[in-house]
Amino acid sequence: SQKIEQNSEALNIQEGKTATLTCNYTNYSPAYLQWYRQDPGRGPVFLLLIRENEKEKRKERLKVTFDTTLKQSLFHITASQPADSATYLCALLSGGSYIPTFGRGTSLIVHP
Amino acid sequence: GAGVSQSPSNKVTEKGKDVELRCDPISGHTALYWYRQSLGQGLEFLIYFQGNSAPDKSGLPSDRFSAERTGGSVSTLTIQRTQQEDSAVYLCASSLVSVSSYNEQFFGPGTRLTVL
Repeated sequence: SQKIEQNSEALNIQEGKTATLTCNYTNYSPAYLQWYRQDPGRGPVFLLLIRENEKEKRKERLKVTFDTTLKQSLFHITASQPADSATYLCALLSGGSYIPTFGRGTSLIVHP
Repeated sequence: GAGVSQSPSNKVTEKGKDVELRCDPISGHTALYWYRQSLGQGLEFLIYFQGNSAPDKSGLPSDRFSAERTGGSVSTLTIQRTQQEDSAVYLCASSLVSVSSYNEQFFGPGTRLTVL
């Protein structure tokens, strides 16, 4: 069955460092991969989308990579700030589908 | 502009009662989704509406769950004869399906349902 894995353990890093979050998947051939941010008590907020034929996407301090051979996406936040502390979710979409499958998310805690 | 809104924000009900949860999507968004999120769990897809097409109900966990979308806008998720395992946060999202912004979803704040 399709499976999306995100590290269930919280990632603790120091302010100013680069945070790297991982999204691995099996039994899936996604055409698109999305990353969302979710704060406690709120709905997820879309951050970035990357297509299967794209290796890397950047937006301000965010960078996403997509390796379809490794079946993995990495999400990087450079120069991290305490305000970046949140849960980050990855979501996969097959080609022609409009219903994403979400991972459970990884909590990021940036310490001042 | 206005985002996706949901009501109520919190709902406490007794086991066996019916509940209705409401979602107001962003104006002009043709796609509307309902998800369920339990503590420490990922987003569980429930149902998807797209324009005038028949909804994709493949995620509904039982026939106690149903949803409607009236006039291509407001949606109501109904849970009949609620059970304790229905306790979760119910999230609604809408999107403008297009090539340029492929399925970016805008989520509401959710309704926290507690079944006693």
